[in-house]
Amino acid sequence: NAGVMQNPRHLVRRRGQEARLRCSPMKGHSHVYWYRQLPEEGLKFMVYLQKENIIDESGMPKERFSAEFPKEGPSILRIQQVVRGDSAAYFCASSPPASGRSNEQFFGPGTRLTVL
Amino acid sequence: GENVEQHPSTLSVQEGDSAVIKCTYSDSASNYFPWYKQELGKRPQLIIDIRSNVGEKKDQRIAVTLNKTAKHFSLHITETQPEDSAVYFCAWGDGQNFVFGPGTRLSVLP
Repeated sequence: NAGVMQNPRHLVRRRGQEARLRCSPMKGHSHVYWYRQLPEEGLKFMVYLQKENIIDESGMPKERFSAEFPKEGPSILRIQQVVRGDSAAYFCASSPPASGRSNEQFFGPGTRLTVL
Repeated sequence: GENVEQHPSTLSVQEGDSAVIKCTYSDSASNYFPWYKQELGKRPQLIIDIRSNVGEKKDQRIAVTLNKTAKHFSLHITETQPEDSAVYFCAWGDGQNFVFGPGTRLSVLP
């Protein structure tokens, strides 16, 4: 049973470009969470999705950031017109479809975004 | 809003000593309290968790205790080893929210 997959593992973008980060949850998991982690800092919640639904996007910046989790395929975090401050590690986590957000979240290896 | 305080932010112990990290939460409805370990450059991984109907849980050298009245829970690591060096995050969930603490950097000195 493969764990949470994320790709790419490393992504370099120039200012103004778009970044697309992909996350495939563990098999059987229908809940996906995205977190951002700056160097030497904690995990900052961004968005919580279920298939075809955004459940909680209270941690997402209002502009340039969007997320989706389509019926088929991976969840995607999209950052438009990237700026240097977007440089961070972006972790995706998934959990099984039970009891909302009171279950273990399984983390992917992360995507390290560097904006030049 | 909901939050969790975690102390200390950094902790250094001698190999073989015990380490204790404490988290305080604010939401009375919290019912799930996990602890994650993140080694440098790696993903966070669950090391132990506890639910609100239990006061203590132990797994070899690691234990978690929960005080619902005082709204705090603690991670205890005994007989620390160099490979325990990492950042440890507490978290809590109440079915609607899931919040991570700011982390504790544990260094185990040989």
